[in-house]
Amino acid sequence: SQQGEEDPQALSIQEGENATMNCSYKTSINNLQWYRQNSGRGLVHLILIRSNEREKHSGRLRVTLDTSKKSSSLLITASRAADTASYFCATDNQGGKLIFGQGTELSVKP
Amino acid sequence: GAGVSQSPSNKVTEKGKDVELRCDPISGHTALYWYRQSLGQGLEFLIYFQGNSAPDKSGLPSDRFSAERTGGSVSTLTIQRTQQEDSAVYLCASSTRGYEDTQYFGPGTRLTVL
Repeated sequence: SQQGEEDPQALSIQEGENATMNCSYKTSINNLQWYRQNSGRGLVHLILIRSNEREKHSGRLRVTLDTSKKSSSLLITASRAADTASYFCATDNQGGKLIFGQGTELSVKP
Repeated sequence: GAGVSQSPSNKVTEKGKDVELRCDPISGHTALYWYRQSLGQGLEFLIYFQGNSAPDKSGLPSDRFSAERTGGSVSTLTIQRTQQEDSAVYLCASSTRGYEDTQYFGPGTRLTVL
């Protein structure tokens, strides 16, 4: 079974706009990871945020974590057409096994 | 260095046949994971290896599924007597130690059971 939910399920924006995706989970975690998937194949790791961290940045990506609300958000700034993909959050809450959310399909229109 | 590789990239088989899927993790990674992605179930954990042992097999859906890892490196996921509901993309990942580490995924094997 899946750990949580992602919101929205689908998001369509214009190039240059920011995209925000949210993830909620149910149990306590060691860390939360965000992945991108193109065309239903391999997952590309984007960023890992630990349970004692509140915010992390990587290039145009900004991830926040609120353990009191059991939620995380991924912000992609100045989006590009190449950012079009599915984005998944995954929680690591026991021994490294990842529990994935349902994903958000992002479409960035040129 | 090289990433996680999986073979074959695509596999079409007939219902009832056995299939073997292979994963080559990143060199030096002690932890290896198998996941499955299907339309109805999303991304699901199957099994976790630390070295050659599997401390967590909780995600294997039935006794038709088994996996082994030899030499702390290559892993094989075997599905016996395949069923149509086994059709999915099977993804392998590896990480340095396992606990609280980034997992690096392979490109997956798309299995279609006719």
